[in-house]
Amino acid sequence: SQQGEEDPQALSIQEGENATMNCSYKTSINNLQWYRQNSGRGLVHLILIRSNEREKHSGRLRVTLDTSKKSSSLLITASRAADTASYFCATENDYKLSFGAGTTVTVRA
Amino acid sequence: ETGVTQSPTHLIKTRGQQVTLRCSSQSGHNTVSWYQQALGQGPQFIFQYYREEENGRGNFPPRFSGLQFPNYSSELNVNALELDDSALYLCASSLGGASGDTQYFGPGTRLTVL
Repeated sequence: SQQGEEDPQALSIQEGENATMNCSYKTSINNLQWYRQNSGRGLVHLILIRSNEREKHSGRLRVTLDTSKKSSSLLITASRAADTASYFCATENDYKLSFGAGTTVTVRA
Repeated sequence: ETGVTQSPTHLIKTRGQQVTLRCSSQSGHNTVSWYQQALGQGPQFIFQYYREEENGRGNFPPRFSGLQFPNYSSELNVNALELDDSALYLCASSLGGASGDTQYFGPGTRLTVL
């Protein structure tokens, strides 16, 4: 069973626009992480936010975490064609990651 | 590139056969985790090895087994293959198996069971 659920399932945006995706989870967590996957290949770690943090930035990425609502959001600003990928949130507990089903983002030129 | 390698890249097996997948962890990492990713789904945790010992297991039957070697590379073995075992198998290595350690994923092995 999957811990997290991403919303929306798919997103299509124009290059230069912002992309926002959300993640909801069910149980308490140590931290929440976001990963990117290109065309069914390996996952690339994007950012980790700990349970006592509310917001974190990394380059064009902004992640928020609301533990009271058990939800997180990932914002990609000024999107590029290279951002086309699937994005997964993963919650960590007992050293194992539990992933959602992902959001597929398509950035149109 | 994460430095985590997996072999083979693709594999086709028939139902009932056995398969071994291999993973070389990133230099300096002593923890390897294995995940199964079915088409259109997120990865699901199979198990984790820390310093050659199993350090946690997901909801997978015993026919999924693993090993970690002294050089911290790892194998995933699946016996009595079923059609539903068709998936992308990902391994990830991390520094010490502690909470918050970044897991670095390999490119995966795509297994097709006919």
